[in-house]
Amino acid sequence: EVQLLESGGGLVQPGGSLRLSCTASGLYFRGYAMSWVRQAPGKGLEWVSSMSGSSGSSANTPYYADSVKGRFTISRDNSNNVLFLQMDSLRGDDTAVYYCAEGGGGNSFDFWGQGTLVTVSS
Amino acid sequence: DIQMTQSPSSLSASVGDTVTITCRASQGIRDSLAWFQQKPGKAPKSLIYAASHVQGGVSSKFSGSGSGTDFTLTISSLQPEDFATYYCQQYSSYPVSFGGGTKVEIK
Repeated sequence: EVQLLESGGGLVQPGGSLRLSCTASGLYFRGYAMSWVRQAPGKGLEWVSSMSGSSGSSANTPYYADSVKGRFTISRDNSNNVLFLQMDSLRGDDTAVYYCAEGGGGNSFDFWGQGTLVTVSS
Repeated sequence: DIQMTQSPSSLSASVGDTVTITCRASQGIRDSLAWFQQKPGKAPKSLIYAASHVQGGVSSKFSGSGSGTDFTLTISSLQPEDFATYYCQQYSSYPVSFGGGTKVEIK
């Protein structure tokens, strides 16, 4: 059974930083693209970032939505099956539940974590 | 960037009804289209991938069709547990994009 467990959310002031983690089990982690998707309160789903798997010419390549480019950094630790999202220069409109998902790179997002809430407020 | 236009944004239906939700891509995405169900306070759940393939463990009451730019999700014999918000998503190219969602409510 695939399980994705996010952690690291919380309350942060505008301009601050947070690091989200997603620990995966039940899948060949290094072989899959992994992604972050967020959902602001009462709003729809918004893709944030993806990182390709560890094989092929595009191994471990990051991709970002324009809204977070230059502020967020995605990375992965394939030895420990963990996906990260480093979020810097946070703004109020970054307030959302952040979901980790298996998928990206032309593959569907088949499995999702339960989400972690990030609140940016003074 | 590919825009995904989903309609309707909401609909009311009765238990036992069959409903159809449509999703249009601003450019061709072949069959790189997924459908998700989301209930309040819960993570999205994958229902359909590759436009028409039902995920393992998902009821066959959910079906998807389409290719290129026009896609549909059909839910047959609506039951109380099916009342939720449904999203389409294209994963053909980055940036990945979602439709605005369709809230299916009880009439």
